[in-house]
Amino acid sequence: QQPVQSPQAVILREGEDAVINCSSSKALYSVHWYRQKHGEAPVFLMILLKGGEQKGHEKISASFNEKKQQSSLYLTASQLSYSGTYFCGTEGASKIIFGSGTRLSIRP
Amino acid sequence: EAQVTQNPRYLITVTGKKLTVTCSQNMNHEYMSWYRQDPGLGLRQIYYSMNVEVTDKGDVPEGYKVSRKEKRNFPLILESPSPNQTSLYFCASSSKTGGGSGELFFGEGSRLTVL
Repeated sequence: QQPVQSPQAVILREGEDAVINCSSSKALYSVHWYRQKHGEAPVFLMILLKGGEQKGHEKISASFNEKKQQSSLYLTASQLSYSGTYFCGTEGASKIIFGSGTRLSIRP
Repeated sequence: EAQVTQNPRYLITVTGKKLTVTCSQNMNHEYMSWYRQDPGLGLRQIYYSMNVEVTDKGDVPEGYKVSRKEKRNFPLILESPSPNQTSLYFCASSSKTGGGSGELFFGEGSRLTVL
């Protein structure tokens, strides 16, 4: 079952912060986060593993609540380059299922 | 350069005409997967493969076939395409299998239109 992302879209001014949430109804082994710019392929940002290990981007952080099967992506001091659609991917039983995405627009 | 290569990048075809979208990766990854992307629906998994000769269905496998005869290649086959298969397709690979895969590396995408 597809994880639920919120919000569906957000508009920020450069320098503002944003939080994107991802929630699953199934037990998870890990959560992936990807960013896709228009007309391009998704690009890896971060993986959060069961047990607390994180691997990923320097300027973007995330959390993973295993008990609640929820993850949040934190974008601080947003830059114009952060614009795009963010997808969370939840992993269980070898399948990585993506949410429908959160469109982030950054204005100067 | 590490990459996932898909071909063709763009294709317009007609209903019922068999087609194959090729996917090749040069990173010696065990795990490969196909996704389709439609507006508002995100990326939906079609099929995945954990290694050579090991494939399994994703969430939307109807109308598609795959094979994994070599580690580097994972073609997607549409035996009899229909207009509802018009979509943007992505192939992806990862270095790990099950129980915590590594990051997915995506190909550039193949935009398919079925008339």
